[in-house]
Amino acid sequence: SAVISQKPSRDICQRGTSLTIQCQVDSQVTMMFWYRQQPGQSLTLIATANQGSEATYESGFVIDKFPISRPNLTFSTLTVSNMSPEDSSIYLCSVEDRTSGSNLRLETQYFGPGTRLLVL
Amino acid sequence: LAKTTQPISMDSYEGQEVNITCSHNNIATNDYITWYQQFPSQGPRFIIQGYKTKVTNEVASLFIPADRKSSTLSLPRVSLSDTAVYYCLVATRSASKIIFGSGTRLSIRP
Repeated sequence: SAVISQKPSRDICQRGTSLTIQCQVDSQVTMMFWYRQQPGQSLTLIATANQGSEATYESGFVIDKFPISRPNLTFSTLTVSNMSPEDSSIYLCSVEDRTSGSNLRLETQYFGPGTRLLVL
Repeated sequence: LAKTTQPISMDSYEGQEVNITCSHNNIATNDYITWYQQFPSQGPRFIIQGYKTKVTNEVASLFIPADRKSSTLSLPRVSLSDTAVYYCLVATRSASKIIFGSGTRLSIRP
């Protein structure tokens, strides 16, 4: 199974600043995803980041606010730009533990521990 | 992606069997039913998946009736460490993303 690490694990930021969250996987994977989870709530998909292509954003999320990089098959970053208190949340990355195929296999989906962000 | 409906929360006691039911009336022929578990301060993790009838692994059992419009996750003899949020998801293997529903917050008491 894929092992995922995220940096930072938590941070407190001032409004108007930006924070870049890193997601590192111990194996090469094709599909990576970024989620947001507000306290006591379910996970909301922000975007899908596949290596070699532009990230695909879900409704309500835009590239200017959440730019994503995916430079190789083991790494991705999510930036939360021009932050406001409403961006306070847990941000999680997930991967599918395969390097081939475009069809999602839920049984091989793994999640990182999350980055807990508080914006003051 | 088929929409799912689960109870918002459930309480039980150590040693009991817990059954969490998920409704998915619009499930498609090619959809699989998958359950994830999320402990506090951790990301979700896969626990079980099925297509029809019954599936059992070392963590749980999954019961799916013939019409597949619902499924039941069964946790035998729960302990305090089973306190978590349980998510039911329905998707085909050709899906390109996972959409989470509200989940069921399970609290186990001594």
